[in-house]
Amino acid sequence: AQSVAQPEDQVNVAEGNPLTVKCTYSVSGNPYLFWYVQYPNRGLQFLLKYITGDNLVKGSYGFEAEFNKSQTSFHLKKPSALVSDSALYFCAVRNSWGKLQFGAGTQVVVTP
Amino acid sequence: GAVVSQHPSWVICKSGTSVKIECRSLDFQATTMFWYRQFPKQSLMLMATSNEGSKATYEQGVEKDKFLINHASLTLSTLTVTSAHPEDSSFYICSARVLGTGKPGYSSYNEQFFGPGTRLTVL
Repeated sequence: AQSVAQPEDQVNVAEGNPLTVKCTYSVSGNPYLFWYVQYPNRGLQFLLKYITGDNLVKGSYGFEAEFNKSQTSFHLKKPSALVSDSALYFCAVRNSWGKLQFGAGTQVVVTP
Repeated sequence: GAVVSQHPSWVICKSGTSVKIECRSLDFQATTMFWYRQFPKQSLMLMATSNEGSKATYEQGVEKDKFLINHASLTLSTLTVTSAHPEDSSFYICSARVLGTGKPGYSSYNEQFFGPGTRLTVL
């Protein structure tokens, strides 16, 4: 069985500082990993994904994520956070049938 | 491209009534659509997988007679919450999976694109 964990319920960061949102996964076989962002009362917006290739994946809005096979992690990062980055972030893993399994979510709060 | 819409965006209904939620892929065809449920400050839980022209596949613990899913065309899936009760109040989100490979403008075969969600409140 596959699973994905987001160990932090909330991450607080000051605007302009680096932002990291943690995600670890457990899968059999090659992982297909995703990051999504959700603003209040909205659906999910795709940020980036790792399927294969370079371990550093660049995505939308200046976000990137690093796939680390040995640590089974896929942490989301942004060098300089904006207040508008305040939202709920979900890590997800996709199985071979195309189903997504989401982590619990991490609330990011960026203060001015 | 790859826009998914949901209608209505929010609905309030009385206990015992049925509510239909539509999920449409606006600019692509989707053989598969997924329905999720999300409680406040919680993650998305997959309810069912909807395949065009066939019966939906429900996740364990989801009552198929209560949550009726119809996928009548490659661009439309509907979720009907029958005999709704207050505990059915939730945020329902659909996603649609892109059909085919090499489709111009879509580099993400088998990618899911999410609708904006429908907020259901049952009084």
